[in-house]
This record gives sequence, structure tokens and C-alpha cells, in this order.
Amino acid sequence: GEDVEQSLFLSVREGDSSVINCTYTDSSSTYLYWYKQEPGAGLQLLTYIFSNMDMKQDQRLTVLLNKKDKHLSLRIADTQTGDSAIYFCAVAGGSNYKLTFGKGTLLTVNP
Amino acid sequence: DAGVIQSPRHEVTEMGQEVTLRCKPISGHDYLFWYRQTMMRGLELLIYFNNNVPIDDSGMPEDRFSAKMPNASFSTLKIQPSEPRDSAVYFCASSTTREQYFGPGTRLTVT
Repeated sequence: GEDVEQSLFLSVREGDSSVINCTYTDSSSTYLYWYKQEPGAGLQLLTYIFSNMDMKQDQRLTVLLNKKDKHLSLRIADTQTGDSAIYFCAVAGGSNYKLTFGKGTLLTVNP
Repeated sequence: DAGVIQSPRHEVTEMGQEVTLRCKPISGHDYLFWYRQTMMRGLELLIYFNNNVPIDDSGMPEDRFSAKMPNASFSTLKIQPSEPRDSAVYFCASSTTREQYFGPGTRLTVT
């Protein structure tokens, strides 16, 4: 089945850019998502990209997709302490609504 | 809209007891998903419904788990009998497009 991999931890300084990476195995993955989870809360949808796109930008967030390498990244510009959370990458096929999640990356923003 | 509503937020029960988790999706959403989150296994899709009909229940761990959606505004996930290894956070999510919106979760502890 589909496998989604993320590094577990990332630590940055406030004001720097953060880049969270994700790789997946199923080349037929059509929808690729980034979710944010704060302690004790549910998952908040940040953004998603369709597989025919290379890049999507939304305010401080930039998503890059390399389909050839099956690599997805999320860049957060001007990272703030409020961005500290766990970030999940998730993928879904074209006809299937089932999301497969990575284990999540804990982003720590240091003042 | 109030978002996806889940109840209870916390549940502590003894092994062998029946547990029922409840979910109210966002009004107008025709897809409903049940996920389980644990440290060991991360986020796993248990089952999802479309227009109240179960579409994929391949993630339901065993016969002790059952889910129903009697109408468009209510779903339950039942565990009978519960076991300590069922301890996890259970999330409900709903969507009408490819964007899944998550509830705050139910933290289940089985002692």
C-alpha cells in the first residue's frame, strides 16, 4: 500500500523559513495535503495541491511538488512561535477519498 | 458553521465495556470519515461513508468495531468489548470536496 515518510523533528529560529519534507511511494497519488495539529486539537487543513501542479503559494505557505521524485515540501516563511505544531503530509488517489498520512513532523520555533 | 462536532471529548472506561463515540459532520457535507491516532501507528483511516453508505471499512481493526451513519447529520463508532489497546484519539472528519475537515477528537482510555 501507499507509504508516506516525513522527518520527525525540525527546529528553527523565529523569523527564519521552515521547510518540511515528505516523500510518498504511490505515483498515482493525485491530491497531496498539508495539515497542522496543535496540542490537544484536531487537524487543521493548511493547503493541498493537485498532482498536475508544481507549486502553490498561499500567504506565508509555499508547497512544492516533484512528481518524478515523489517529493512534497511545505515552506513556511517568517516562521512564528505560533507555528509550533505537528505538520502532517497526506496523499490520496484520484478516485479514492482515503487519505494516507505520514507520521508527522514536530516543528519547534525558538524565540 | 460550528465545524465537526464530536462527543464525548474524553472517555475513560474499563476493559470489556461498550464505548460509543459520536460525530456530527458539517452541514451539507456528504462524506464522513473516522480516524484513529496513536503514537505507534500514527493516523489511520478506519472507515468512511458517502451519503450515509459505508464505502471503505478496510481499516476497521476487527469485529469489535462497528460504525453507523443513520442520517446525514450523525454517525457513531462503537467498540464492544473495549480493550486497553483501543486507547487512542479518535477523529471524525467530513467533506464535500477533497478538503477534509476534522473534529477535535475523542480521547479514549481503556483501563
